[in-house]
Amino acid sequence: QSVLTQPPSASGTPGQRVTISCSGSGSNIGSNYVYWYQQLPGTAPKLLVYRNNQRPSGVPDRFSGSKSGTSASLAISGLRSEDEADYYCSTWDDSLFGVVFGGGTKLTVL
Amino acid sequence: EVQLVESGGGLVQPGGSLRLSCAASGFTFSIYWMSWVRQAPGKGLEWVANIKEDGSEKYYVDSVKGRFTISRDNAKKSLYLKMNSLRGEDTAVYYCVRGGQTGTPSMDVWGRGTTVSVSS
Repeated sequence: QSVLTQPPSASGTPGQRVTISCSGSGSNIGSNYVYWYQQLPGTAPKLLVYRNNQRPSGVPDRFSGSKSGTSASLAISGLRSEDEADYYCSTWDDSLFGVVFGGGTKLTVL
Repeated sequence: EVQLVESGGGLVQPGGSLRLSCAASGFTFSIYWMSWVRQAPGKGLEWVANIKEDGSEKYYVDSVKGRFTISRDNAKKSLYLKMNSLRGEDTAVYYCVRGGQTGTPSMDVWGRGTTVSVSS
C-alpha cells in the first residue's frame, strides 16, 4: 500500500487532455513539493515535473503539474501515442522522514 | 554527457549479501545528494536510501534499516549500496539516482538500473 494514492490506470485518445491525480496527507503533499516521473516501457523513470509545477528543460509544455492542499495532479494535453507510460508522483514525508511515491498510473493512449 | 551506470547486481540466496556500485560521470558528483530507488518486478517505485553530498547524513526506508548501507566516494565519483541479510522481497531493479535530498527530493538523473534477484 503506497503512502500516496494514484489511480492505477488512465486513458485517452490522441489530442485529448487527461489528468492523473495523487492524494496524500498533511505530512507529505500538504507540506512539501510534489514531483512527477514518467517511465516509458522498459526504461528508467524520468523527471517530468518538479516543485509542483516546474518542468525540466526538454519536457514539453503539454505536461503540467499542480497542487492544492494534500492533493496534486498531472495534466497532459494534446495526448500523443508516445505519452503511453507509467506516471508516478513523489514527495517527502515529514513523519516517515523519507521519500514516498504513489503506486503509479498506467496511461493508455487509445 | 551526464550519466549514472550501476553494476553489481545478480542472483543471491536469501540471507546473502551484495554490493551495488554506481559510477557517475558528466557532472560534479560531490555537490549532489544521491539516492537508491528500487522497483520490484511489475511493481512501483520505492525509495531505498539517500546520502548527503559529503556523506555525513544517510537515511533509509524502514524495511532496509540495519541491513543496507549507503556510502559514497567523491574522489572516485561513485555511490554504493551494501546489502546484507537479503530477503525475497528485496528482489528488484535498483536505480542509482542523482538527487533525493531530504525535504526536496527532486531526482533528475537516473541510471538504467541493475537487477538483484534473491532466491534459493
